[in-house]
Amino acid sequence: DTGVSQNPRHKITKRGQNVTFRCDPISEHNRLYWYRQTLGQGPEFLTYFQNEAQLEKSRLLSDRFSAERPKGSFSTLEIQRTEQGDSAMYLCASSNSQGIEEKLFFGSGTQLSVL
Amino acid sequence: GESVGLHLPTLSVQEGDNSIINCAYSNSASDYFIWYKQESGKGPQFIIDIRSNMDKRQGQRVTVLLNKTVKHLSLQIAATQPGDSAVYFCAEIVPGYSTLTFGKGTMLLVSP
Repeated sequence: DTGVSQNPRHKITKRGQNVTFRCDPISEHNRLYWYRQTLGQGPEFLTYFQNEAQLEKSRLLSDRFSAERPKGSFSTLEIQRTEQGDSAMYLCASSNSQGIEEKLFFGSGTQLSVL
Repeated sequence: GESVGLHLPTLSVQEGDNSIINCAYSNSASDYFIWYKQESGKGPQFIIDIRSNMDKRQGQRVTVLLNKTVKHLSLQIAATQPGDSAVYFCAEIVPGYSTLTFGKGTMLLVSP
Protein backbone atom coordinates (compact mmCIF):
# COMPACT_ATOMS: atom_id res chain seq x y z
CA ASP A 1 0.00 0.00 0.00
CA THR A 2 1.61 3.26 -1.08
CA GLY A 3 -0.95 5.60 0.47
CA VAL A 4 -0.66 7.75 3.56
CA SER A 5 -0.14 5.60 6.65
CA GLN A 6 -1.01 6.62 10.20
CA ASN A 7 -0.24 4.90 13.48
CA PRO A 8 -1.79 4.01 15.79
CA ARG A 9 -5.35 3.71 14.41
CA HIS A 10 -6.81 4.13 17.88
CA LYS A 11 -5.45 5.60 21.09
CA ILE A 12 -7.16 5.69 24.47
CA THR A 13 -5.47 7.72 27.15
CA LYS A 14 -6.18 9.28 30.50
CA ARG A 15 -6.46 13.02 30.92
CA GLY A 16 -3.09 14.58 31.57
CA GLN A 17 -1.07 11.98 29.69
CA ASN A 18 1.05 12.71 26.62
CA VAL A 19 0.37 11.02 23.30
CA THR A 20 2.27 10.88 20.02
CA PHE A 21 0.97 9.96 16.58
CA ARG A 22 2.96 9.11 13.50
CA CYS A 23 2.26 9.77 9.83
CA ASP A 24 4.09 8.34 6.83
CA PRO A 25 3.14 10.30 3.70
CA ILE A 26 3.19 9.17 0.10
CA SER A 27 6.91 8.94 -0.61
CA GLU A 28 7.31 11.55 -3.34
CA HIS A 29 5.03 14.13 -1.69
CA ASN A 30 6.73 17.25 -0.37
CA ARG A 31 3.85 18.60 1.70
CA LEU A 32 2.40 17.03 4.82
CA TYR A 33 -0.66 18.25 6.68
CA TRP A 34 -2.31 17.54 10.02
CA TYR A 35 -6.05 17.99 10.43
CA ARG A 36 -8.42 17.29 13.30
CA GLN A 37 -11.96 16.03 12.83
CA THR A 38 -14.75 15.71 15.38
CA LEU A 39 -17.96 13.77 14.88
CA GLY A 40 -20.24 15.32 12.30
CA GLN A 41 -17.77 18.02 11.29
CA GLY A 42 -15.37 18.51 8.42
CA PRO A 43 -11.63 18.26 9.02
CA GLU A 44 -10.05 21.34 10.60
CA PHE A 45 -6.54 22.40 9.62
CA LEU A 46 -3.86 22.21 12.32
CA THR A 47 -0.49 22.60 10.62
CA TYR A 48 1.51 21.75 7.53
CA PHE A 49 5.08 21.14 6.42
CA GLN A 50 6.84 21.67 3.16
CA ASN A 51 9.69 19.19 3.31
CA GLU A 52 11.02 19.61 6.87
CA ALA A 53 9.88 23.21 7.34
CA GLN A 54 6.71 23.86 9.32
CA LEU A 55 5.13 26.69 7.35
CA GLU A 56 1.78 27.33 8.98
CA LYS A 57 0.00 26.65 12.23
CA SER A 58 -3.65 27.07 13.03
CA ARG A 59 -4.84 28.90 16.12
CA LEU A 60 -6.32 25.51 17.07
CA LEU A 61 -2.79 24.31 17.68
CA SER A 62 -2.31 25.27 21.31
CA ASP A 63 1.09 25.18 23.00
CA ARG A 64 0.31 21.63 24.16
CA PHE A 65 0.54 20.49 20.54
CA SER A 66 3.79 20.06 18.66
CA ALA A 67 4.50 18.58 15.27
CA GLU A 68 7.77 17.62 13.66
CA ARG A 69 8.96 16.36 10.33
CA PRO A 70 12.69 16.03 11.00
CA LYS A 71 13.90 14.59 7.70
CA GLY A 72 11.14 15.76 5.43
CA SER A 73 9.60 12.30 5.35
CA PHE A 74 7.46 10.99 8.23
CA SER A 75 5.90 13.34 10.78
CA THR A 76 4.87 13.10 14.42
CA LEU A 77 2.16 15.00 16.26
CA GLU A 78 2.48 15.14 20.03
CA ILE A 79 -0.18 16.31 22.45
CA GLN A 80 1.00 17.01 25.99
CA ARG A 81 -1.23 17.00 29.06
CA THR A 82 -4.20 15.75 27.10
CA GLU A 83 -7.67 17.09 27.85
CA GLN A 84 -11.06 15.55 27.13
CA GLY A 85 -11.61 18.19 24.47
CA ASP A 86 -8.68 16.74 22.53
CA SER A 87 -10.75 13.64 21.75
CA ALA A 88 -11.06 13.57 17.97
CA MET A 89 -9.83 11.91 14.80
CA TYR A 90 -6.39 13.21 13.83
CA LEU A 91 -5.89 13.03 10.10
CA CYS A 92 -2.68 13.30 8.16
CA ALA A 93 -2.56 14.18 4.47
CA SER A 94 0.16 14.68 1.92
CA SER A 95 0.40 16.35 -1.45
CA ASN A 96 2.82 16.97 -4.26
CA SER A 97 2.35 20.72 -4.47
CA GLN A 98 1.33 21.88 -7.94
CA GLY A 99 0.68 25.58 -7.46
CA ILE A 100 -2.86 26.17 -6.27
CA GLU A 101 -4.03 22.64 -7.01
CA GLU A 102 -3.49 21.08 -3.60
CA LYS A 103 -4.85 17.56 -4.06
CA LEU A 104 -4.50 16.25 -0.56
CA PHE A 105 -4.42 12.49 -0.03
CA PHE A 106 -5.51 11.48 3.45
CA GLY A 107 -4.62 8.62 5.73
CA SER A 108 -7.23 6.74 7.75
CA GLY A 109 -6.52 8.78 10.84
CA THR A 110 -5.78 8.16 14.50
CA GLN A 111 -8.86 8.16 16.72
CA LEU A 112 -7.96 9.65 20.10
CA SER A 113 -10.16 9.15 23.13
CA VAL A 114 -9.22 11.01 26.31
CA LEU A 115 -10.91 9.63 29.41
CA GLY B 1 -35.66 13.22 0.22
CA GLU B 2 -33.41 15.58 2.13
CA SER B 3 -33.49 16.16 5.86
CA VAL B 4 -31.33 17.71 8.50
CA GLY B 5 -30.00 15.09 10.87
CA LEU B 6 -28.57 15.56 14.32
CA HIS B 7 -25.17 16.46 12.94
CA LEU B 8 -25.29 16.32 9.19
CA PRO B 9 -27.71 17.05 6.40
CA THR B 10 -28.70 13.73 4.90
CA LEU B 11 -29.73 12.84 1.36
CA SER B 12 -31.50 9.49 0.90
CA VAL B 13 -31.82 8.06 -2.61
CA GLN B 14 -32.63 4.80 -4.30
CA GLU B 15 -29.98 2.83 -6.16
CA GLY B 16 -29.86 3.96 -9.77
CA ASP B 17 -31.13 7.47 -9.05
CA ASN B 18 -29.02 10.53 -9.73
CA SER B 19 -27.83 12.38 -6.61
CA ILE B 20 -27.08 16.06 -6.19
CA ILE B 21 -25.12 17.23 -3.17
CA ASN B 22 -24.85 20.95 -2.58
CA CYS B 23 -22.29 23.13 -0.85
CA ALA B 24 -22.24 26.84 -0.08
CA TYR B 25 -18.62 27.91 0.22
CA SER B 26 -17.46 30.73 2.39
CA ASN B 27 -14.94 32.89 0.58
CA SER B 28 -15.63 34.65 -2.72
CA ALA B 29 -11.87 34.80 -3.34
CA SER B 30 -11.49 31.00 -3.29
CA ASP B 31 -10.06 29.77 -6.57
CA TYR B 32 -9.85 26.01 -6.22
CA PHE B 33 -12.39 23.50 -4.94
CA ILE B 34 -12.39 19.80 -4.20
CA TRP B 35 -15.06 17.26 -3.36
CA TYR B 36 -14.10 14.51 -0.94
CA LYS B 37 -15.91 11.29 0.01
CA GLN B 38 -15.49 9.91 3.52
CA GLU B 39 -16.61 6.44 4.49
CA SER B 40 -16.99 5.43 8.09
CA GLY B 41 -13.64 4.87 9.79
CA LYS B 42 -11.63 6.15 6.84
CA GLY B 43 -9.98 9.38 5.82
CA PRO B 44 -11.46 11.63 3.12
CA GLN B 45 -10.96 10.34 -0.42
CA PHE B 46 -10.46 12.73 -3.36
CA ILE B 47 -13.31 12.63 -5.89
CA ILE B 48 -13.01 15.58 -8.24
CA ASP B 49 -11.69 19.13 -8.31
CA ILE B 50 -12.43 22.34 -10.19
CA ARG B 51 -10.71 25.67 -10.62
CA SER B 52 -12.59 28.95 -10.42
CA ASN B 53 -12.07 29.68 -14.11
CA MET B 54 -14.41 26.77 -14.92
CA ASP B 55 -18.09 26.26 -14.17
CA LYS B 56 -18.34 22.54 -14.86
CA ARG B 57 -16.09 19.54 -14.80
CA GLN B 58 -16.95 15.90 -15.41
CA GLY B 59 -15.41 12.73 -14.13
CA GLN B 60 -16.50 9.14 -14.14
CA ARG B 61 -20.15 9.22 -13.00
CA VAL B 62 -19.53 12.53 -11.23
CA THR B 63 -19.94 16.13 -12.30
CA VAL B 64 -19.03 19.23 -10.31
CA LEU B 65 -20.78 22.53 -11.01
CA LEU B 66 -19.50 25.87 -9.76
CA ASN B 67 -21.61 29.02 -9.50
CA LYS B 68 -19.33 31.81 -8.33
CA THR B 69 -22.11 34.39 -8.37
CA VAL B 70 -23.83 32.75 -5.43
CA LYS B 71 -20.78 30.91 -4.04
CA HIS B 72 -22.34 27.52 -4.67
CA LEU B 73 -20.80 24.20 -5.55
CA SER B 74 -22.63 20.99 -6.36
CA LEU B 75 -21.65 17.38 -6.91
CA GLN B 76 -23.81 15.27 -9.18
CA ILE B 77 -23.49 11.49 -9.00
CA ALA B 78 -25.09 9.55 -11.84
CA ALA B 79 -26.66 6.13 -11.30
CA THR B 80 -25.96 6.17 -7.57
CA GLN B 81 -24.79 2.86 -6.10
CA PRO B 82 -24.86 1.54 -2.51
CA GLY B 83 -21.07 1.94 -2.47
CA ASP B 84 -21.57 5.68 -2.87
CA SER B 85 -23.03 5.84 0.64
CA ALA B 86 -20.71 8.11 2.62
CA VAL B 87 -20.28 11.65 3.89
CA TYR B 88 -19.35 14.13 1.17
CA PHE B 89 -17.37 17.30 1.89
CA CYS B 90 -16.57 20.24 -0.30
CA ALA B 91 -13.31 22.06 0.37
CA GLU B 92 -11.89 25.33 -0.90
CA ILE B 93 -8.54 27.07 -1.16
CA VAL B 94 -8.19 30.81 -0.83
CA PRO B 95 -5.38 32.47 -2.82
CA GLY B 96 -2.31 33.05 -0.67
CA TYR B 97 -3.10 30.10 1.55
CA SER B 98 -1.93 26.56 1.00
CA THR B 99 -4.54 24.81 3.11
CA LEU B 100 -7.95 23.41 2.33
CA THR B 101 -10.95 24.67 4.30
CA PHE B 102 -13.68 22.06 4.56
CA GLY B 103 -17.43 22.54 4.69
CA LYS B 104 -19.69 20.68 7.10
CA GLY B 105 -20.53 17.68 4.93
CA THR B 106 -23.60 15.87 3.66
CA MET B 107 -24.40 12.24 4.35
CA LEU B 108 -25.57 10.28 1.29
CA LEU B 109 -27.57 7.11 1.97
CA VAL B 110 -28.24 4.84 -0.98
CA SER B 111 -30.89 2.15 -0.62
CA PRO B 112 -30.71 -0.96 -2.82
